Amino acid sequence: AQSVTQLDSQVPVFEEAPVELRCNYSSSVSVYLFWYVQYPNQGLQLLLKYLSGSTLVKGINGFEAEFNKSQTSFHLRKPSVHISDTAEYFCAVSVNNAGGTSYGKLTFGQGTILTVHP
Amino acid sequence: DAGVIQSPRHEVTEMGQEVTLRCKPISGHDYLFWYRQTMMRGLELLIYFNNNVPIDDSGMPEDRFSAKMPNASFSTLKIQPSEPRDSAVYFCASRYSGDNEQFFGPGTRLTVL
Repeated sequence: AQSVTQLDSQVPVFEEAPVELRCNYSSSVSVYLFWYVQYPNQGLQLLLKYLSGSTLVKGINGFEAEFNKSQTSFHLRKPSVHISDTAEYFCAVSVNNAGGTSYGKLTFGQGTILTVHP
Repeated sequence: DAGVIQSPRHEVTEMGQEVTLRCKPISGHDYLFWYRQTMMRGLELLIYFNNNVPIDDSGMPEDRFSAKMPNASFSTLKIQPSEPRDSAVYFCASRYSGDNEQFFGPGTRLTVL
């Protein structure tokens, strides 16, 4: 079975500062990796995903993430955050079976609350 | 597309009552997922369907919980009888088998008194 660990439960930063939200996963098979964002009282929205190919993935709202297979990590970064980035961020993993088709079942980390201060 | 639709958005009920949560997936999506979100346990997958058939219900907490998908455009999650510890936000999500992204609904906030 796979698992996801988000190393920081809360990350406070000032506006226009860079931020990194950390995510590590464990799995005995290859996986797909995702970052979702949840704004207050809303559902989850996909930020970006890694399926294959380039290990640096760019997503919406200026976010990017880098897949590091040797360190089993998928950290999320943004060079300059805005107040509007305040939200909870979830890292998730989905098993990629031998045929290359995801089973589709997501396992989520516990979430990281990003708070951007003026 | 209207996205994944869930109803009701908020539900307040008393312990022992039956609760039914509803979900309409995005048209054309053949996977449907039910999640529960709490402060203590985070996001948990309860059950998921493929082509209206339940594939994995190992996350369903106990027999008080049941889920159905009578057709491709509708699913229900039922709790009978409800208990205060069931209070949570319940999300429905859907996915097309040719893609990897799950689309989430806005959630139903359930409070059991």
